[in-house]
Amino acid sequence: EVQLVESGGGLVQPGGSLRLSCAASGFTFSSYDMHWVRQGIGKGLEWVSAVGTSGTTHYAGSVNGRFTISRENAENSLYLQMNSLRAGDTAVYYCAGSLDTAMRGFEYWGQGTLVTVSS
Amino acid sequence: SYELTQPLSVSVALGQTARITCGGINIGRKNVHWYQQKPGQAPVLVIYRDSNRPSGIPERFSGSNSGNTATLTISRAQAGDEADYYCQVWDSNTGVFGGGTKLTVL
Repeated sequence: EVQLVESGGGLVQPGGSLRLSCAASGFTFSSYDMHWVRQGIGKGLEWVSAVGTSGTTHYAGSVNGRFTISRENAENSLYLQMNSLRAGDTAVYYCAGSLDTAMRGFEYWGQGTLVTVSS
Repeated sequence: SYELTQPLSVSVALGQTARITCGGINIGRKNVHWYQQKPGQAPVLVIYRDSNRPSGIPERFSGSNSGNTATLTISRAQAGDEADYYCQVWDSNTGVFGGGTKLTVL
């Protein structure tokens, strides 16, 4: 059974940092592009960042320079280091996986972890 | 940056056919994916690459894509199909989602 389990969310003050983790199981993690997608409360889905199987990374303009995505294939884990957090970053953060992002979309999703940026 | 436009809401009578559109410039040249999201749950991929169904997705779900519009069609709509639906493409190494459509089954 495929599982993606996010952790690390919580309450953080504006300007603070947080590191999200996503533990994967039930599929060949190293063969999948991995992504973070977020959803503000009552809002739509917003793609945040991706890391390919070769380690290539991509970011949405809204987080570029503040967030860093990484993966550790030996541990079947995905990470998102979030710095200089803003109120607008408040959202549920989902990790998602795809065998071929352009052709197959986001095939697997975790249940999400809530990040709240507030003083 | 590329933009996708969806209607805010679509209503369909029980057992009838619902069509949810996704507009974008020359979207017919892109691979469009569709997700279903029910309240409090993570999104689920229901159509990939315009018209392909992942395993476990009912045949009632179908998709098409041409010109400037992609369409998700749900035949014989059921109460359980009531959800938010999002289209998505991968453009210039960036994920792009439509704003989402709330499907109401009457």
